[in-house]
Amino acid sequence: KQEVTQIPAALSVPEGENLVLNCSFTDSAIYNLQWFRQDPGKGLTSLLLIQSSQREQTSGRLNASLDKSSGRSTLYIAASQPGDSATYLCAVRLRNDYKLSFGAGTTVTVRA
Amino acid sequence: GAVVSQHPSRVICKSGTSVKIECRSLDFQATTMFWYRQFPKQSLMLMATSNEGSKATYEQGVEKDKFLINHASLTLSTLTVTSAHPEDSSFYICSARDSEGASNQPQHFGDGTRLSIL
Repeated sequence: KQEVTQIPAALSVPEGENLVLNCSFTDSAIYNLQWFRQDPGKGLTSLLLIQSSQREQTSGRLNASLDKSSGRSTLYIAASQPGDSATYLCAVRLRNDYKLSFGAGTTVTVRA
Repeated sequence: GAVVSQHPSRVICKSGTSVKIECRSLDFQATTMFWYRQFPKQSLMLMATSNEGSKATYEQGVEKDKFLINHASLTLSTLTVTSAHPEDSSFYICSARDSEGASNQPQHFGDGTRLSIL
């Protein structure tokens, strides 16, 4: 069974600082990995999707890397802003399966 | 982009009530939809895979008679929490996969339903 872990569980930084969020998974036979943002009491907003053949994806201030062999992905958020405050979830999809396995998330607070 | 509409967004009801949650794909067909449950400060846990025109596939530990799933059309799946009790209070989220999209395309998520049983 795929286990997905996100460390740290919570993070508080001053505005302008770069954020580094970690995600690890136990089964490296993944199809893709996705990073989501979740605001309190809300649904999920997809941020970045990395296919298993890719090493990284970038969108604006966001960059996600994937090291499949070591079972790790990292989400970098450059020059953080208070609006980046949210919970960030990573989810892994295994090959030949559409199910997603989620981590518990990292709750980020960016202080103005 | 693809949109998934989930309704209602919030439900508060008495213990013993059955509650129906709808998940609708608005601009694409979805033969497969997924239902997740999320407790406070915890991860999303997959409850079941909803398949159009056939029985849902439930994850281990999820009571199929408690959480009834119906996927009668290519754009609608419903989750009914039967005889809900306080321990069923949670955040329920659905997702849908575009049947005509490439297999590597992401699922689309609804905005979730906050269920509170008094």
